[in-house]
Amino acid sequence: QKEVEQNSGPLSVPEGAIASLNCTYSDRVSQSFFWYRQYSGKSPELIMSIYSNGDKEDGRFTAQLNKASQYVSLLIRDSQPSDSATYLCAVNDQGAQKLVFGQGTRLTINP
Amino acid sequence: DAGITQSPRHKVTETGTPVTLRCHQTENHRYMYWYRQDPGHGLRLIHYSYGVKDTDKGEVSDGYSVSRSKTEDFLLTLESATSSQTSVYFCAISGTQGLGAFFGQGTRLTVV
Repeated sequence: QKEVEQNSGPLSVPEGAIASLNCTYSDRVSQSFFWYRQYSGKSPELIMSIYSNGDKEDGRFTAQLNKASQYVSLLIRDSQPSDSATYLCAVNDQGAQKLVFGQGTRLTINP
Repeated sequence: DAGITQSPRHKVTETGTPVTLRCHQTENHRYMYWYRQDPGHGLRLIHYSYGVKDTDKGEVSDGYSVSRSKTEDFLLTLESATSSQTSVYFCAISGTQGLGAFFGQGTRLTVV
């Protein structure tokens, strides 16, 4: 069973600080990695994608990928209360053409 | 929002009855997925489709069947609903393998 693992949290971060979310995956051939944000009672929303080793920045969000260590992370700079949500890591299982999700990390930004 | 519509949005049904959930897309995307989301389990893949009439099982497919007779519609059927199938069901679509998927609004299903 190919797995994606996340710490379920909750992770509590003060407003203005950096929130760091981590994800590990078991399938070495995975090529595509994604972060979704899900507010309570809403559907998941794609916020970041990353395909190669290193960092990818988009506004206050930075995704980091290390394929050798099989982990993906998401950094949120200058955290805002509106960032409070569950963050889901997803990995593309290329062999079977499907997207596998971790359990999600619940993030709370405290004013 | 990506053009994805799930119906119904809410449903309460009795144990043992058949239930069909519909996912309709207007994006002409090749890949469609059905997930269920339960507390403590995250999103789990039920079935997915990679083209018309091309479907495959996910990790929690027991008790579910799917059909895709047109590019735009992907149906999920619970042949005989059980209380363990009470969940929130999400449909997702993706245009190209390796790119992220976009989700519908979800269907909250309660089996009593």
